[in-house]
Amino acid sequence: DAGVIQSPRHEVTEMGQEVTLRCKPISGHDYLFWYRQTMMRGLELLIYFNNNVPIDDSGMPEDRFSAKMPNASFSTLKIQPSEPRDSAVYFCASRYGGNYNEQFFGPGTRLTVL
Amino acid sequence: TQLLEQSPQFLSIQEGENLTVYCNSSSVFSSLQWYRQEPGEGPVLLVTVVTGGEVKKLKRLTFQFGDARKDSSLHITAAQPGDTGLYLCAGEGNAGNMLTFGGGTRLMVKP
Repeated sequence: DAGVIQSPRHEVTEMGQEVTLRCKPISGHDYLFWYRQTMMRGLELLIYFNNNVPIDDSGMPEDRFSAKMPNASFSTLKIQPSEPRDSAVYFCASRYGGNYNEQFFGPGTRLTVL
Repeated sequence: TQLLEQSPQFLSIQEGENLTVYCNSSSVFSSLQWYRQEPGEGPVLLVTVVTGGEVKKLKRLTFQFGDARKDSSLHITAAQPGDTGLYLCAGEGNAGNMLTFGGGTRLMVKP
């Protein structure tokens, strides 16, 4: 298996532009998580899905952020409009259901908003 | 909200030294995981501890879960430059599924 795949790996955009981050989870995993990592705040959970259904989005910063999972093999995180404070590394992770299971992380997307 | 505090935040040591990283909370976790993250990559799981008082060893790394399942420690013996990275603890609450991550300990081992 190729592991969790994220694209793009790097994104540089200007304030006000729309940004879409993409994730392909590991086949067979039924949970998908979106995280944001910054030096100041560490690794924060934004939203997670179970069987393609959003379960907890309490970590989503504000209405500018939205996430979808149209099928078991694809998810997107969209920021519109983007702001400089959104600059961070965004990770997608997936796992099997059940207790104590490992989360497998993708390589991340480094987003810079100018 | 369950919070995990890690200490120290930064640690720079010489090859061959021992070190301990701490992960503390006022909340009880059903399990606790330790991850290591290298630059430009996502975190990778090292170990999961589940039972209060549990000790697990992974070569030169020793992980312990506190008796009350509120804290954990990671001890590295004879650190090597290859141990350099960001170490993250993550607690799974009773509701399951979600992990709360600590702020991380950034370790640098100098040759």
